[in-house]
Amino acid sequence: EAGVVQSPRYKIIEKKQPVAFWCNPISGHNTLYWYLQNLGQGPELLIRYENEEAVDDSQLPKDRFSAERLKGVDSTLKIQPAELGDSAVYLCASSSGGTGGETQYFGPGTRLLVL
Amino acid sequence: GENVEQHPSTLSVQEGDSAVIKCTYSDSASNYFPWYKQELGKRPQLIIDIRSNVGEKKDQRIAVTLNKTAKHFSLHITETQPEDSAVYFCAASSNTGNQFYFGTGTSLTVIP
Repeated sequence: EAGVVQSPRYKIIEKKQPVAFWCNPISGHNTLYWYLQNLGQGPELLIRYENEEAVDDSQLPKDRFSAERLKGVDSTLKIQPAELGDSAVYLCASSSGGTGGETQYFGPGTRLLVL
Repeated sequence: GENVEQHPSTLSVQEGDSAVIKCTYSDSASNYFPWYKQELGKRPQLIIDIRSNVGEKKDQRIAVTLNKTAKHFSLHITETQPEDSAVYFCAASSNTGNQFYFGTGTSLTVIP
């Protein structure tokens, strides 16, 4: 079974440029998460989807970040415009959902560097 | 919301010794506690988890204990090996949904 797939793995952009990340969750997983991970820190939730619905986006900086999960499978996370402080690893994860307490599997992450 | 604290932030042990990492949580409704291992530049990998109806779980050299009353859980690694060196994260999951709250991580170094 394929795991969570993310692309690109690395991205270097100049500040004020847009950037997009893509995630393909494990087949059949209804719940999809986007996390931000700074160096030496734990993952911090940006947004959580149940199927195609964003059920928790309270930590998503909506002035510059947006996300979508059309058809409830793949998801994209976009930053426009990027700022220097956005340099981090962006992790996607998925779980089978349900009533909670389901194992969460992470993708390899996209390492973003904003110059 | 939930608050997960993790200690220590760094831990060095001699090969063959045991390592213990502790986490506390604030929300008594949390009922699922996974532990992830993250090697440098790699994704977090689930190594063991425990649910609130169990007090202890073991998998070879790794064990996790849960004290619901005190709201803390711990990861125990016995007979440590150099390949155990990594950052370990604890997490707590709310039973009101599929939210996960992570600790700040423990960087474990096993000295050969």
